[in-house]
Amino acid sequence: DADVTQTPRNRITKTGKRIMLECSQTKGHDRMYWYRQDPGLGLRLIYYSFDVKDINKGEISDGYSVSRQAQAKFSLSLESAIPNQTALYFCATSVVGDEQFFGPGTRLTVL
Amino acid sequence: GIQVEQSPPDLILQEGANSTLRCNFSDSVNNLQWFHQNPWGQLINLFYIPSGTKQNGRLSATTVATERYSLLYISSSQTTDSGVYFCAAVRGGADGLTFGKGTHLIIQP
Repeated sequence: DADVTQTPRNRITKTGKRIMLECSQTKGHDRMYWYRQDPGLGLRLIYYSFDVKDINKGEISDGYSVSRQAQAKFSLSLESAIPNQTALYFCATSVVGDEQFFGPGTRLTVL
Repeated sequence: GIQVEQSPPDLILQEGANSTLRCNFSDSVNNLQWFHQNPWGQLINLFYIPSGTKQNGRLSATTVATERYSLLYISSSQTTDSGVYFCAAVRGGADGLTFGKGTHLIIQP
């Protein structure tokens, strides 16, 4: 089984809908991250978490919220989706100061 | 924040050729990684290399931290090497990777 999993893998939704993307990991890492990738660009950091009680904003957090339900679970929510949030979303994990490992990605389309 | 620049942006090669991809970064780093994004969008970790040299089969990487650059070498290219190669770094004291815009590599048979 994959160490970092994301659900759903693909999602099409409509403008104004609330949507949640979920990430789970079995690597035992304390740090988890959410990134967004737009076509032709590299990934950009949305939110990150050092542990269950610690949540930090990244470069592009506006319009997003997160929840760290457990060490192994980190969810990303779009409270009211808009078309420019159409992108490929990645979850990642790491231990302090070490290599980050990425999930398979969620392709989100907002109509 | 840290700036990460990759070159060239696009590269087309014949199967069997060798290539060098470059990554320049604007500040000292405590993490530098190279990734391959395949045509299905998956990110594959190639190297974790904040300094020094590593090799893995036909791929190798070198980071010269004092001069703020990293190089990824691909030898004897295969069509399966096609995709986008990203360099990403974390500045000392910060968190979260900053990605370059990638090098789009096409290997033709």
